[in-house]
Amino acid sequence: GNSVTQMEGPVTLSEEAFLTINCTYTATGYPSLFWYVQYPGEGLQLLLKATKADDKGSNKGFEATYRKETTSFHLEKGSVQVSDSAVYFCALRGSATDSWGKLQFGAGTQVVVTP
Amino acid sequence: EAGVTQFPSHSVIEKGQTVTLRCDPISGHDNLYWYRRVMGKEIKFLLHFVKESKQDESGMPNNRFLAERTGGTYSTLKVQPAELEDSGVYFCASSQTGGYTFGSGTRLTVV
Repeated sequence: GNSVTQMEGPVTLSEEAFLTINCTYTATGYPSLFWYVQYPGEGLQLLLKATKADDKGSNKGFEATYRKETTSFHLEKGSVQVSDSAVYFCALRGSATDSWGKLQFGAGTQVVVTP
Repeated sequence: EAGVTQFPSHSVIEKGQTVTLRCDPISGHDNLYWYRRVMGKEIKFLLHFVKESKQDESGMPNNRFLAERTGGTYSTLKVQPAELEDSGVYFCASSQTGGYTFGSGTRLTVV
């Protein structure tokens, strides 16, 4: 079955540091890939997505590239801010019609950015 | 447009009691999903409604969990009787053309 593996946290870094959160997946066919973010006290929000190989999703300074050859979708940001402190979830949606749109999530990575 | 609303936002109950969580999807969204995150682990799929019908309930952990979606509008998820391992955050999401909108979740604590 489909699965998502992402690096464990917490990840603690200083403001303006470079952030990478690794995410790899296993899936049949051509899944869509997502990064969701949960800020403290809030619900899950879509951060970015990519629907086919070599697509790059980007939003709010974050980027992730769909790499089919390495089955990866690593999240990066060049200069983090304190407001980026949150839990980040990598997720995939299978391409098979019988997946009916359900998402498979990773365990989440907590990111703490200090001033 | 109103988002996906879940309530209560927090619930603390004793083992053996019953709890009912509610989700109001975005109006007009046929697809409604329930997920939960237990003990800081991955968010796991519970079930999927298309309108009032259960399309996929493969993620429901056991028969203590009962989900309904009245008239294809709001949905409830009842846990009866609750066990300690049911503690976690329960998320609801709705979609119409593939784009998900999640609610803020219900944090359930069973003591």
